[in-house]
Amino acid sequence: AQKVTQAQTEISVVEKEDVTLDCVYETRDTTYYLFWYKQPPSGELVFLIRRNSFDEQNEISGRYSWNFQKSTSSFNFTITASQVVDSAVYFCALNSGGYQKVTFGIGTKLQVIP
Amino acid sequence: DSGVTQTPKHLITATGQRVTLRCSPRSGDLSVYWYQQSLDQGLQFLIQYYNGEERAKGNILERFSAQQFPDLHSELNLSSLELGDSALYFCASSVGASGGVDTQYFGPGTRLTVL
Repeated sequence: AQKVTQAQTEISVVEKEDVTLDCVYETRDTTYYLFWYKQPPSGELVFLIRRNSFDEQNEISGRYSWNFQKSTSSFNFTITASQVVDSAVYFCALNSGGYQKVTFGIGTKLQVIP
Repeated sequence: DSGVTQTPKHLITATGQRVTLRCSPRSGDLSVYWYQQSLDQGLQFLIQYYNGEERAKGNILERFSAQQFPDLHSELNLSSLELGDSALYFCASSVGASGGVDTQYFGPGTRLTVL
């Protein structure tokens, strides 16, 4: 079985603040894949990143960075110097065990206040 | 723009009716996935097709069915609709058959409202 927990349902920050979205996952498999997706108010789901379980290197893409820690089963997402356009719901997701389905967390709604 | 297209964008219908949602995957992608997003259930995987064959099944109701055609577009059929079927239905596509090895790219969704 696979499970994704996003404990923060809603976060509000003031523009230019840094914000970290937490994601904790559960799986018994040694090979698995983690994802982050963004869902802006317009509704579409935008792929942000995929990470496999054998690659624990943190990744930075512009103002976005991801911290993958197998020891704590976490894959956290940080937005630096947040902007109003970052306001969206962010989903963490997991695929493991060779299953086709991807399990999504319930999402964290981020509101960036100007 | 992910390259995945879904039609229609919005659909309003009545209880007991049947509707068909359509999805065209990204060029070169062989897998199509269907998801339902509702306020109480979150984002739920329904079903996956790979190159015309059903590959994986999730929480799909018996009143729902899907298929993938030779040109790789897919249709999700929802019948005997109930109020609780109101949701955003997403289609996603990926190159291969694995849900993890291949990244799934999502379409814009079809918002279904059952009155």
